Amino acid sequence: QKEVEQDPGPLSVPEGAIVSLNCTYSNSAFQYFMWYRQYSRKGPELLMYTYSSGNKEDGRFTAQVDKSSKYISLFIRDSQPSDSATYLCAMSLSNFGNEKLTFGTGTRLTIIP
Amino acid sequence: NAGVTQTPKFRILKIGQSMTLQCTQDMNHNYMYWYRQDPGMGLKLIYYSVGAGITDKGEVPNGYNVSRSTTEDFPLRLELAAPSQTSVYFCASSGTGTNEKLFFGSGTQLSVL
Repeated sequence: QKEVEQDPGPLSVPEGAIVSLNCTYSNSAFQYFMWYRQYSRKGPELLMYTYSSGNKEDGRFTAQVDKSSKYISLFIRDSQPSDSATYLCAMSLSNFGNEKLTFGTGTRLTIIP
Repeated sequence: NAGVTQTPKFRILKIGQSMTLQCTQDMNHNYMYWYRQDPGMGLKLIYYSVGAGITDKGEVPNGYNVSRSTTEDFPLRLELAAPSQTSVYFCASSGTGTNEKLFFGSGTQLSVL
């Protein structure tokens, strides 16, 4: 069993739809949760950073963590074609240093105009 | 401010050849990382460095070597290229505080034939 599981997709939705991206994990000690966005032929860039359980909102993006279910989600409201990318979840035991960061495999998302 | 710069962007190697992937950052970050990204496998840490003169192995270090003589540069060396090293390689850097995000380069696509 992989430590972090993420549906690879691909996921295609019409412009303006709400998108839900998810990851599950097996290590209950993970405390810090991230979502990275990766455009084609580019490096990942940090989109959202959350600590422990709860929700965090940033514009059209909401990150949700449910530690009891070992489940994290990223919601995108009013999706735009520019949101088309691969989304990687990542998680860590510590908020100091990134060498212990564990990444999901990524979900490829396409927003259809 | 260029961020993290990787060269070359693409390279084809023959089995047994050697090469160095270059990485430089202009953000004065102490932490630098090398990842490889394979389809369906997510990002895997190869080596990392917490400062000039200090390097350590990540999850998948076999077949690679690194050095860190300056804060800015963190080259990755492949000594005897093998088909299993066909991948996309990303260099990243981060600061030394808490909750420091990773800044990624645009990647090097390497094929070993």
